[in-house]
Amino acid sequence: AQSVTQPDARVTVSEGASLQLRCKYSYSGTPYLFWYVQYPRQGLQLLLKYYSGDPVVQGVNGFEAEFSKSNSSFHLRKASVHWSDSAVYFCVLSATQVVGQLTFGRGTRLQVYA
Amino acid sequence: DAGVTQTPRHEVAEKGQTIILKCEPVSGHNDLFWYRQTKIQGLELLSYFRSKSLMEDGGAFKDRFKAEMLNSSFSTLKIQPTEPKDSAVYLCASGTGGYEQYFGPGTRLTVL
Repeated sequence: AQSVTQPDARVTVSEGASLQLRCKYSYSGTPYLFWYVQYPRQGLQLLLKYYSGDPVVQGVNGFEAEFSKSNSSFHLRKASVHWSDSAVYFCVLSATQVVGQLTFGRGTRLQVYA
Repeated sequence: DAGVTQTPRHEVAEKGQTIILKCEPVSGHNDLFWYRQTKIQGLELLSYFRSKSLMEDGGAFKDRFKAEMLNSSFSTLKIQPTEPKDSAVYLCASGTGGYEQYFGPGTRLTVL
């Protein structure tokens, strides 16, 4: 079985500061990994994805994530956050042998203050 | 292209009522998913269709929850009878047969 852990339920940063949201996964095979963002009263929007290749992947709105097989991690980063980045961020894993089955982390609520 | 559409956006029901939530996937997507989202449990898969065939029925949700895919562009989720513990956000997502899923805005259900 696979699992995703987001150790930080809440993160608060000031506008303009850098950001890292942590994600650890557990899966015996090769994972496909995603970060989704959920703004208030909206569905989940795909920020970025990692399937293979360069471990650093770029997403929308200046977000990037780095895959580490040795650390079983897929941390999300942004160099300078904006107040509009305030939302809940989900790290998500797809087991490569089972299409359609996503494993979600519990989410990290990001609050950006001015 | 239009994204995933869900109606209604909000639903209030009395305990014991039957409610039907609707979803229109992205045009051309073959996979359709229903999820329930709560603060306590997070996201839970209710149903998964591939090319209108039910692939996953959500195990624990089988007794009062029924999802149907009447055609490739429309799905419903029926909850019968509703209970207060069903209060949650219900999300529909679609995909092209790969590993990414695209989510609708959700329906917030409140059962009194």
